[in-house]
Amino acid sequence: QVQLQESGPGLVKPSQTLSLTCTVSGGSISSGGYYWSWIRQHPGKGLEWIGYIYYSGSTYYNPSLKSRVTISVDTSKNQFSLKLSSVTAADTAVYYCATTNYYDSSGYSSFDYWGQGTLVTVSS
Amino acid sequence: DIQMTQSPSSLSASVGDRVTITCRASQSISSYLNWYQQKPGKAPKLLIYAASSLQSGVPSRFSGSGSGTDFTLTISSLQPEDFATYYCQQSYSTPRFGPGTKVDIK
Repeated sequence: QVQLQESGPGLVKPSQTLSLTCTVSGGSISSGGYYWSWIRQHPGKGLEWIGYIYYSGSTYYNPSLKSRVTISVDTSKNQFSLKLSSVTAADTAVYYCATTNYYDSSGYSSFDYWGQGTLVTVSS
Repeated sequence: DIQMTQSPSSLSASVGDRVTITCRASQSISSYLNWYQQKPGKAPKLLIYAASSLQSGVPSRFSGSGSGTDFTLTISSLQPEDFATYYCQQSYSTPRFGPGTKVDIK
């Protein structure tokens, strides 16, 4: 079973870049079985998908965040990463990494496995 | 941009009750609809994918139905471990979640 673990600073200053890494175990990013997503949840609020990456490096971002988001992959370390630039207090959230499973050619997909999440606070 | 709504936003129920949660999309999403359960301080857990397919390991008291714009999640007999917040999510286009439905103890 795939396991994911987020890591990175819990506090980021406004206008700086938030950087998080997700380490995958129990499976290889290079296997191509999943896309690898970042999802966030503002305190006490709902869930927002940020974007995903495939092992090949192809990405798809939420248009609402696209101008500030970069997701990258390091297959040698079995990790993928999130960078979110020019952060404000509105980016304070729990950030999750998750697998995105495409079931077949029909395009059905879901977020099957999730990390435990990491709280990132944006504050000076 | 497809918007998702859920109703009710919260409900109180007793163990053994049949519970139904509704999710509506702002346009047709065929069966591209998933349901998740989230407990406080934990990551969401996938329950149902493609509107009605039960994720492996999820108890059969959970079921999903619907297509197009209207979907339901039903818990046939609520158990103590089912008190949580439930989210729908469309995978038809840019993934988007509903606002959630909190199920608590009556």
